[in-house]
Amino acid sequence: AQTVTQSQPEMSVQEAETVTLSCTYDTSESDYYLFWYKQPPSRQMILVIRQEAYKQQNATENRFSVNFQKAAKSFSLKISDSQLGDAAMYFCAYRRAYSGGGADGLTFGKGTHLIIQP
Amino acid sequence: DAMVIQNPRYQVTQFGKPVTLSCSQTLNHNVMYWYQQKSSQAPKLLFHYYDKDFNNEADTPDNFQSRRPNTSFCFLDIRSPGLGDAAMYLCATSRWDRDGQPQHFGDGTRLSIL
Repeated sequence: AQTVTQSQPEMSVQEAETVTLSCTYDTSESDYYLFWYKQPPSRQMILVIRQEAYKQQNATENRFSVNFQKAAKSFSLKISDSQLGDAAMYFCAYRRAYSGGGADGLTFGKGTHLIIQP
Repeated sequence: DAMVIQNPRYQVTQFGKPVTLSCSQTLNHNVMYWYQQKSSQAPKLLFHYYDKDFNNEADTPDNFQSRRPNTSFCFLDIRSPGLGDAAMYLCATSRWDRDGQPQHFGDGTRLSIL
């Protein structure tokens, strides 16, 4: 079974600074997808960034980027120029790729609570 | 805007009294998921529908059932809620293909058990 581990229950960063959230995972699959989701208080979970395991290039979305190390099974999220609106719970998630019909759910880590200090 | 809507946002029920949570979507996605998220824990997949095909996770209690009468709606039924079932329940949808399409989540329903 796949597992996702986020070792930082809480992180704090000054506004405009850079912060990195850690995530490691365990799987025996070679093809899979990794995601970072953001869940603001009392609001819906939204996708931040997505990485395909077969792509070596790290995904980037504006101020958000990942450091994907497949051999180490590590998938960290870097947030540059942190803004007050970035304050939220961040979840790392894994989903295996499918070779046939069907679908698969996400395996989540426990989350990292990100605090932005003004 | 196309979206995933969960009703109600907050649900209170009594111990052992059946309760139904609902989810609707305007995204026309063929896959719908239900997750349970307890306080300070990771969301945990309960089951999902791929079109009309129901897929139950092995460790989902029998107390939890689901119905999907059409593409747009999906329901989570808890037949006899226990105190341990108090949680946030998240509905999500995705368009399945091989390219790892992300899941789109609703706001969740927070279930309390008296």
